[in-house]
This record gives sequence, structure tokens and C-alpha cells, in this order.
Amino acid sequence: GDSVTQMEGPVTLSEEAFLTINCTYTATGYPSLFWYVQYPGEGLQLLLKATKADDKGSNKGFEATYRKETTSFHLEKGSVQVSDSAVYFCALITGGFKTIFGAGTRLFVKA
Amino acid sequence: EAGVTQFPSHSVIEKGQTVTLRCDPISGHDNLYWYRRVMGKEIKFLLHFVKESKQDESGMPNNRFLAERTGGTYSTLKVQPAELEDSGVYFCASSQELAGTYNEQFFGPGTRLTVL
Repeated sequence: GDSVTQMEGPVTLSEEAFLTINCTYTATGYPSLFWYVQYPGEGLQLLLKATKADDKGSNKGFEATYRKETTSFHLEKGSVQVSDSAVYFCALITGGFKTIFGAGTRLFVKA
Repeated sequence: EAGVTQFPSHSVIEKGQTVTLRCDPISGHDNLYWYRRVMGKEIKFLLHFVKESKQDESGMPNNRFLAERTGGTYSTLKVQPAELEDSGVYFCASSQELAGTYNEQFFGPGTRLTVL
């Protein structure tokens, strides 16, 4: 069945460091891909999305490119801030309404 | 515009007791979904309502879980009797009905359920 695999955390970085969180997927058909973020004490928020191959989603300095050839959707940010500390979930939808999530990656950013 | 709300934010119950979680979707959203995250693992789909009808309940773990959406507005998820393995965070989401396009799902803050 469809699945999402993302790097295990926690990831600990210093402020202004470069961030990469790897995400790969297995899916039938042509999925739409998403990154969600959960800040402490809050719900899930859609961070960015890409609906077809080679699309780049971007928001708040974060970017991810839909790579069909490598079935990947890695999340990147050039310079993280303390306020980026959160749990990040990679996810996909194929065909229906059901969202398939990865296990989540916790990011800690130190000042 | 109010987002998806869930109540309670946290519930602690003993094994064998009953708990009912509530979700209020964004007004006008016909689609409502329940998901849960257990033990820090991935968030898993439980079921999907379109208005008051269950469209897909393939993720419901067993018959101790009962979801309802009377009148097609808010939804409840009842766990009876609760077991230890039911502990986790239960998320609700809603989306508009937009034929032919991807329906962005808006998530609530979740209900953290602890079964002792």
C-alpha cells in the first residue's frame, strides 16, 4: 500500500543552520505531496504542498521539490530560527481523500 | 473564520471506561476526517464523513470505536471500553467539497487521550 518514510529525529540544529528533512514515498498513481508542521501545543498546519512532478512548494522560507524519479519530497530551509522548532510530517494523498503520513520528525533549534 | 475545534484537549481515563471526543469542523465543510497518532508513530487515518454519511471507515481499528456525525455538522468519536493501546492524539480535519480539485484538509489541535 501507499506509504511515507521520513528521517527519524530528533534533529537538533543551531540557529541559522541549514535544514534538510528527508522524505520518500511509495504510491500507486500520481500522489499530491505535503509537509505539515505541528508547533508545541498547536494543531497540524499545512506548511507547503506540490501536486505534480517537478513542482516546488514553498512557504516561510521552507521549500520542497516533488521528485518523481527518486520518489522524494525533501524539506529544506536555508537558515532555521528558534521559532521553527516543531514536529514536521511528510504526507501524501492519492486518488481519494485519505492522507498518508510519515512518522514525523522533531526539530529542535538552539539559540 | 473559526478553524477546526476539538474537545477536550486532553482526557485521562482508566482502562474499561468510555470516552467521547468531539470535533467541530469549519462551517460549510462537508468532509470530516478522524486520524490518530499513537506512541509517536505516524498519523493514521480512521474514517471520513461526507456530510452525515460514512464515506470510508477502513481505518477504524475495531468495534470499540464508534463515530457519528448527526446532521452533518459536528462529529463525535466514542471509545468504549477504552484499552491502554488507545492512548494517543486524535486529530480531526475538515475540507470543502470541491469537485475535480484537491480538497485541502484543515486540522484541529487534537485531543490527547491517556488510558491508564
